[in-house]
Amino acid sequence: AQSVTQLGSHVSVSEGALVLLRCNYSSSVPPYLFWYVQYPNQGLQLLLKYTSAATLVKGINGFEAEFKKSETSFHLTKPSAHMSDAAEYFCAVRYSGSARQLTFGSGTQLTVLP
Amino acid sequence: GAVVSQHPSRVICKSGTSVKIECRSLDFQATTMFWYRQFPKQSLMLMATSNEGSKATYEQGVEKDKFLINHASLTLSTLTVASAHPEDSSFYICSAIREGLNTEAFFGQGTRLTVV
Repeated sequence: AQSVTQLGSHVSVSEGALVLLRCNYSSSVPPYLFWYVQYPNQGLQLLLKYTSAATLVKGINGFEAEFKKSETSFHLTKPSAHMSDAAEYFCAVRYSGSARQLTFGSGTQLTVLP
Repeated sequence: GAVVSQHPSRVICKSGTSVKIECRSLDFQATTMFWYRQFPKQSLMLMATSNEGSKATYEQGVEKDKFLINHASLTLSTLTVASAHPEDSSFYICSAIREGLNTEAFFGQGTRLTVV
């Protein structure tokens, strides 16, 4: 079964520090991978996605993620955290083919300290 | 980007009443929409797949008679929580699939349902 694991339900960083949110997927077939951000009481906003093109994907708000097949990982990074980055982040996977549904990780709450 | 509008954003209802939540794709047609439920501090759990013109496909453990889904047009899916009870209180989120070269899911802003 397809699954995605996010290590660390809570991550705290200082403003200006590096943000690293971890995501690993389970599959023998490269999937489509996504990172979403959710602010309180709101829906999900797509940050970036990997769809088998470039392995380093740049998204909105200065975020990027690198697909590493050997590690089955798709970690999200941002060089310098901003207070407005504080939110819940979800990694999601979708496999190629007819299925359209996403499988979400458990989420990581990012706190940015002043 | 494409826009998915979900309405209402918040609703409080009495136990035993029914609540309808709408999910509209405003600038694209969506054959497929999904309904998710999210408990506090948890991830999104897929409830059902809504298919335009056919019956919804429910995930295991989701009561189809409790959570009624209607996808009557290519831009609108509705989720009706029938005879709501306090345990149905949750955050419900829809997503609509825009098909094409870059198939992508777009999410509504969510509905906070509180059953009192």
